[in-house]
Amino acid sequence: DAGITQSPRHKVTETGTPVTLRCHQTENHRYMYWYRQDPGHGLRLIHYSYGVKDTDKGEVSDGYSVSRSKTEDFLLTLESATSSQTSVYFCAISDRGTGNTIYFGEGSWLTVV
Amino acid sequence: DQQVKQNSPSLSVQEGRISILNCDYTNSMFDYFLWYKKYPAEGPTFLISISSIKDKNEDGRFTVFLNKSAKHLSLHIVPSQPGDSAVYFCAAMNSGNTPLVFGKGTRLSVIA
Repeated sequence: DAGITQSPRHKVTETGTPVTLRCHQTENHRYMYWYRQDPGHGLRLIHYSYGVKDTDKGEVSDGYSVSRSKTEDFLLTLESATSSQTSVYFCAISDRGTGNTIYFGEGSWLTVV
Repeated sequence: DQQVKQNSPSLSVQEGRISILNCDYTNSMFDYFLWYKKYPAEGPTFLISISSIKDKNEDGRFTVFLNKSAKHLSLHIVPSQPGDSAVYFCAAMNSGNTPLVFGKGTRLSVIA
């Protein structure tokens, strides 16, 4: 299993509150990603990082921000959570130097009430 | 504008028979394709991949076929087993620099 740890694994929060999800990797991979999975939509990319302090937007980036101050950590922040952000969030990592496969964490279940 | 399409939301197959999961893509720049398997309450796990320079890749019971002219790929599972019951995601990328783009997934049920 790829060394990816997501925290928290489950969270319930109120509308309008800030939320930060953390992804920690022990593989020293350059690329890190945040996806969300929703019924009928599959996996959609929120943001990704191609190095420390280097990030870019994905398909569904509105309402989310990210930061990567260290190779091993990639943070996803919902500045003001909304009910539409209730979802399962998956962190993933890859090292393009050794192939194109990305490896996923176990997911963070977020409920915004 | 969906670049990767899995048009069958679900598929049921008898144990021991072949499962065929289909995927279509629209972006001709995609040159690397992957299949992921996902069980409930777990993260997706990598299953098999294929580069656009090939038309077939096999790994045990799993074979992926790529038809570039039709922009179509398929995953064959032979023989299907109850443990194969999961959601299968097709994904594609341009290995130059773009992240993976996923389809919506197909839920496979293998009936004993």
